[in-house]
Amino acid sequence: DGGITQSPKYLFRKEGQNVTLSCEQNLNHDAMYWYRQDPGQGLRLIYYSQIVNDFQKGDIAEGYSVSREKKESFPLTVTSAQKNPTAFYLCASLGTARIYGYTFGSGTRLTVV
Amino acid sequence: AQSVSQHNHHVILSEAASLELGCNYSYGGTVNLFWYVQYPGQHLQLLLKYFSGDPLVKGIKGFEAEFIKSKFSFNLRKPSVQWSDTAEYFCAVNAGNDYKLSFGAGTTVTVRA
Repeated sequence: DGGITQSPKYLFRKEGQNVTLSCEQNLNHDAMYWYRQDPGQGLRLIYYSQIVNDFQKGDIAEGYSVSREKKESFPLTVTSAQKNPTAFYLCASLGTARIYGYTFGSGTRLTVV
Repeated sequence: AQSVSQHNHHVILSEAASLELGCNYSYGGTVNLFWYVQYPGQHLQLLLKYFSGDPLVKGIKGFEAEFIKSKFSFNLRKPSVQWSDTAEYFCAVNAGNDYKLSFGAGTTVTVRA
């Protein structure tokens, strides 16, 4: 089945450490996204990428970095500069046929300990 | 930049009651509109979407939404809710050909048996 795979499901990080969240899709979608979900704030866009080797900052990019070396992969690194990294992170993708809407992964819950 | 407002943070109602969740957006051009649902412990699922045509859109699980361009609104409705409709509901807007999808803060719906 086609879809988006996010790993791991739960991740614990010590303060001061960088951590990378994985997002892989086999939908052949061009565009990929990273969102952060916090209670009462909905989903806020961190970074997005429309094509390979290109990405743009979203609304809350500070303290995060991404890469898009392959069409199917869009990893997110949460750096030590992110002041409040504990959150639920969602990856999404969008194909050329945009009328079908965005597809979301099942998310990674990151906790800083 | 577009923004999305969801009027109700938490709605509590009894089974068989009617549900209406408000959503307003701030963008004057062509928009694509979405409602997503997140059931407890599950990933985001698309309920319905509007791209063009009939402003009354029917989605899955008996939900519908009406796009009123003059009011910049896309309210979600269900005539008779069930306990299984307990979830968080998100309105989202994509402006024209922009690749960004902006979300509202979400509305938590609790249906009491």
